[in-house]
Amino acid sequence: EPEVTQTPSHQVTQMGQEVILRCVPISNHLYFYWYRQILGQKVEFLVSFYNNEISEKSEIFDDQFSVERPDGSNFTLKIRSTKLEDSAMYFCASSDREANEKLFFGSGTQLSVL
Amino acid sequence: GNSVTQMEGPVTLSEEAFLTINCTYTATGYPSLFWYVQYPGEGLQLLLKATKADDKGSNKGFEATYRKETTSFHLEKGSVQVSDSAVYFCALKFNDYKLSFGAGTTVTVRA
Repeated sequence: EPEVTQTPSHQVTQMGQEVILRCVPISNHLYFYWYRQILGQKVEFLVSFYNNEISEKSEIFDDQFSVERPDGSNFTLKIRSTKLEDSAMYFCASSDREANEKLFFGSGTQLSVL
Repeated sequence: GNSVTQMEGPVTLSEEAFLTINCTYTATGYPSLFWYVQYPGEGLQLLLKATKADDKGSNKGFEATYRKETTSFHLEKGSVQVSDSAVYFCALKFNDYKLSFGAGTTVTVRA
């Protein structure tokens, strides 16, 4: 079965540094998402992306965050100046239809901000 | 706002035991309800869903019934296996893009 791939699986960075989390969604999918889970808390929606623009974003997704689909296969989440509270597991997901309830998730990138 | 609350873990069981993971929701209106599962080293994947009251979702021996009167969607399996060891997430969704997840419940099944 096709799968969503995320790299790296673990990322350690210093506070204030920029990080880019990478995702390769399933090839024929058109809708892309980022979620995150701070340890012990709920999985939270960050942003959805379709047709090269953000469709919806949460309050968490402030000016420090950005997403991009730089080519036909990658979907990236950038955090410009990381804070300690950005430490979390970040999940990328994709789907083939609008408002599709079946999202395909990657295995996540564990981001640790020191 | 719309949210789900699920049973805290971790849960440890023996093989062939009965598993229940409680999930209740708070929502304005009638959302669709889901259980996602994350096996070790993998991404979350849809386990089952129910889109309206009294619907029962089922897959891989797991079941959950959408109960409007108790705003619940408890996950059950009659006889678990070691391969069911995973993190289970309850979630809800309206006709928009985002799923609202619970915190996840870690289940470990011992042989």
